[in-house]
Amino acid sequence: GDSVTQMEGPVTLSEEAFLTINCTYTATGYPSLFWYVQYPGEGLQLLLKATKADDKGSNKGFEATYRKETTSFHLEKGSVQVSDSAVYFCALSRYGNKLVFGAGTILRVKS
Amino acid sequence: GAGVSQSPSNKVTEKGKDVELRCDPISGHTALYWYRQSLGQGLEFLIYFQGNSAPDKSGLPSDRFSAERTGGSVSTLTIQRTQQEDSAVYLCASSTGTSGSPDTQYFGPGTRLTVL
Repeated sequence: GDSVTQMEGPVTLSEEAFLTINCTYTATGYPSLFWYVQYPGEGLQLLLKATKADDKGSNKGFEATYRKETTSFHLEKGSVQVSDSAVYFCALSRYGNKLVFGAGTILRVKS
Repeated sequence: GAGVSQSPSNKVTEKGKDVELRCDPISGHTALYWYRQSLGQGLEFLIYFQGNSAPDKSGLPSDRFSAERTGGSVSTLTIQRTQQEDSAVYLCASSTGTSGSPDTQYFGPGTRLTVL
């Protein structure tokens, strides 16, 4: 069945460091790919998405490119802030239905 | 506008009791989803509603779990004879339900269920 694998955390970075959180997927067909973020004490919210190969999703300085040849959707940010500390979930969806999530990656940014 | 709301925010119950969790989706959203977030299992899909029907119940872990949606709006997730392994945060999400498109799902704050 469909699955998502993302790098284990926690990832600890200093402010202004470059961030990469790796995500790879297994799915039949052409899924849509998402990154969701969960800030401390808050609910899940969509960070960005991409619906087809080579699409780039971006939001709040974060980017991820849908790479079908490597079945990957790695999340990147050029300069992280303390306020980016959160749990990040990579997910896929086929036919606009249920989301299949990765295990989540905790990001801690130190000032 | 109002987002997805869930009640109660916290529920503590004794093993063997039944519980009901409620989800109020964003107005006009026809698709509604239930997920469960637990330490050992991460985020798991439970059930999906389109309108009042549930075309995908594949994630319900046992027959102790059931859900219904009436009037194409509010949904209730019921867990009968709760067990300690049911302890988790139960999340509800809704989306516009546009067929075949990558619908953005909007999540509620969740109900934290603790089974003693």
